[in-house]
Amino acid sequence: GENVEQHPSTLSVQEGDSAVIKCTYSDSASNYFPWYKQELGKRPQLIIDIRSNVGEKKDQRIAVTLNKTAKHFSLHITETQPEDSAVYFCAAPPREMDTGRRALTFGSGTRLQVQP
Amino acid sequence: EPEVTQTPSHQVTQMGQEVILRCVPISNHLYFYWYRQILGQKVEFLVSFYNNEISEKSEIFDDQFSVERPDGSNFTLKIRSTKLEDSAMYFCASSEGLAGRGEQFFGPGTRLTVL
Repeated sequence: GENVEQHPSTLSVQEGDSAVIKCTYSDSASNYFPWYKQELGKRPQLIIDIRSNVGEKKDQRIAVTLNKTAKHFSLHITETQPEDSAVYFCAAPPREMDTGRRALTFGSGTRLQVQP
Repeated sequence: EPEVTQTPSHQVTQMGQEVILRCVPISNHLYFYWYRQILGQKVEFLVSFYNNEISEKSEIFDDQFSVERPDGSNFTLKIRSTKLEDSAMYFCASSEGLAGRGEQFFGPGTRLTVL
C-alpha cells in the first residue's frame, strides 16, 4: 500500500516568514496530492491539491510543488499569519484515481505555529 | 455551501457495547468514507463505500466494524463490541463520482470515548 512520510513534525515561524512542509510517497501510480489544514478540534479542510500532470499550483499565499520522479511534494505558505497556525496533513491515494478507489493515506502531520 | 454532517458530536460508551455513528454525505456525492484519528495522531483510512458496497477497507476495519447506507441520505458506521482502543475521532467524508475533481469533504467528526 501507499506510504506517505511528512516532515517536519513541528514548525515554528515568525509572522510574515515562509513555511515549507514536505512529503514523500511510495506508490508511483498516485496522481492526486491534497493538503489538508486541521485546526484544533475541527475537521480536516482541503486547502490545495495538485494532480500529477502539473508541477506546481498556486492559490494566493499557498502553493504546492510536485516532483513525480523523486516522489515528493511540498506545501509552501508565504507571508504567514497567526491564523495559519494549525496542523497540516499531506495525503495521497494508493492507486489511480480513475479506478474510483480514492482512499487517502495521510502523512503524520505538521504542527505549524506562527508567532506574532 | 453543502457540507457533510455527522451525529452525534460526542459518544461515550462502555467497553463491549455497540455504537452506531451517523453521517449524511453531500447529496450528489457517490463515494463515502470513514476515517479515524486517535488523539494527536494522523488521520487513518477505515473504509470506502460506493454503489452500495464496500470498495476498499484497511486492516483496521475488522469484523467488529460494518457500514451501511440504510436510505438515500444516511451512511453509518457500526462498531459491534467497542474496545478501549476504539476511542478516537471518527470522520465521515464524501466525494463526487469519477467525473469530479475527487476532493474529499470531511464531516465535523464524532468523538468516541470508550470507558
